[in-house]
Amino acid sequence: AQSVTQLGSHVSVSEGALVLLRCNYSSSVPPYLFWYVQYPNQGLQLLLKYTSAATLVKGINGFEAEFKKSETSFHLTKPSAHMSDAAEYFCAVSEGGSARQLTFGSGTQLTVLP
Amino acid sequence: DTAVSQTPKYLVTQMGNDKSIKCEQNLGHDTMYWYKQDSKKFLKIMFSYNNKELIINETVPNRFSPKSPDKAHLNLHINSLELGDSAVYFCASSGGTRSLPEQFFGPGTRLTVL
Repeated sequence: AQSVTQLGSHVSVSEGALVLLRCNYSSSVPPYLFWYVQYPNQGLQLLLKYTSAATLVKGINGFEAEFKKSETSFHLTKPSAHMSDAAEYFCAVSEGGSARQLTFGSGTQLTVLP
Repeated sequence: DTAVSQTPKYLVTQMGNDKSIKCEQNLGHDTMYWYKQDSKKFLKIMFSYNNKELIINETVPNRFSPKSPDKAHLNLHINSLELGDSAVYFCASSGGTRSLPEQFFGPGTRLTVL
């Protein structure tokens, strides 16, 4: 069975500061991992994905994430926060195969302070 | 071009009514999903359809019934609406088993039951 834990339901950073959103996963097989972003009153948009090709994954809007198997983690980072990064961020895991099911974490609300 | 679209965007109705939410994808995907997002932003999968066959049905009340006239459409019909059904409902789609399990989301339908 697959599961995702996102530590910190709310994270606040100052504009220009480092963004670090934490995600730990559990999976019985090598997983596919995703980060999605949800802006207010919108649907989920894919930020980046891990598919076993490279452990450091770069996504849109300057975000990146590193897959660490030993720590079962897939933390999301951005060197310098921008006001427009304020949103809800979801980590998700899939074991692939015929089920195609994504299991989402509980989300982290990112606030960027001026 | 809108990849995954949903109608309506907002739906306000009385308890006990029956309502439907429509979803269409133009990505040529084989699998479509319905998610429920509660007031705490938690995302829970409700259904998925693969080539017009239901392949996942989480513990959802039988008042909810997905209907797929073809692989580009997955509609959600809800009978006898209850207050607890108030939430945002998202439709999503993904490719076949040979493609990555990433999912593309619609903009959501905010259902309010009075």
